[in-house]
Amino acid sequence: KQEVTQIPAALSVPEGENLVLNCSFTDSAIYNLQWFRQDPGKGLTSLLLIQSSQREQTSGRLNASLDKSSGRSTLYIAASQPGDSATYLCAVRPIQGAQKLVFGQGTRLTINP
Amino acid sequence: DAGVIQSPRHEVTEMGQEVTLRCKPISGHNSLFWYRQTMMRGLELLIYFNNNVPIDDSGMPEDRFSAKMPNASFSTLKIQPSEPRDSAVYFCASGVRLSYNSPLHFGNGTRLTVT
Repeated sequence: KQEVTQIPAALSVPEGENLVLNCSFTDSAIYNLQWFRQDPGKGLTSLLLIQSSQREQTSGRLNASLDKSSGRSTLYIAASQPGDSATYLCAVRPIQGAQKLVFGQGTRLTINP
Repeated sequence: DAGVIQSPRHEVTEMGQEVTLRCKPISGHNSLFWYRQTMMRGLELLIYFNNNVPIDDSGMPEDRFSAKMPNASFSTLKIQPSEPRDSAVYFCASGVRLSYNSPLHFGNGTRLTVT
């Protein structure tokens, strides 16, 4: 059974720092991995999707990497800003049962001005 | 594109009452998912539809929960009777069936409180 883990559960850093959020998964048989952002009281916003054949994806100050063989992904945020404060979730789409995304519990990120 | 639209945004009801949550997926999307989010359990998939047909409802916690998708632009999740442990945020999401490398799009959720 696929399991997704995100560590740490919460992270607080000063503004301007570069930071890395971690996501690990137990089964490497995946189509892709997706990073989401969730603001309080809001839904999930898709940030980046990395296909299983890709190593990384970039969007602005965000860079997501994928090492499928080791079951790991990282989300790198450069020059963090208070507006980046949110909960970040990763989810994998397994090859078996591909309609069901498997989510991690998320990392609650706080950027302090 | 208005995105996935859910209503109501908040629902407060008493135990035993019927609750109906509504969702309008993104036009052109043919897969629709209902998720529930709690602090303890995170995001749980309740049920999903492909082309308006329920495919997998194994995540529906009890017979008190039911979901319908009468057409491509509307779905409901009903809880009858509601219980305090049903309190959670319920999300609807839509996507393109069989396009596994396209992202899933979520609504803003309905926060349900059952007293």
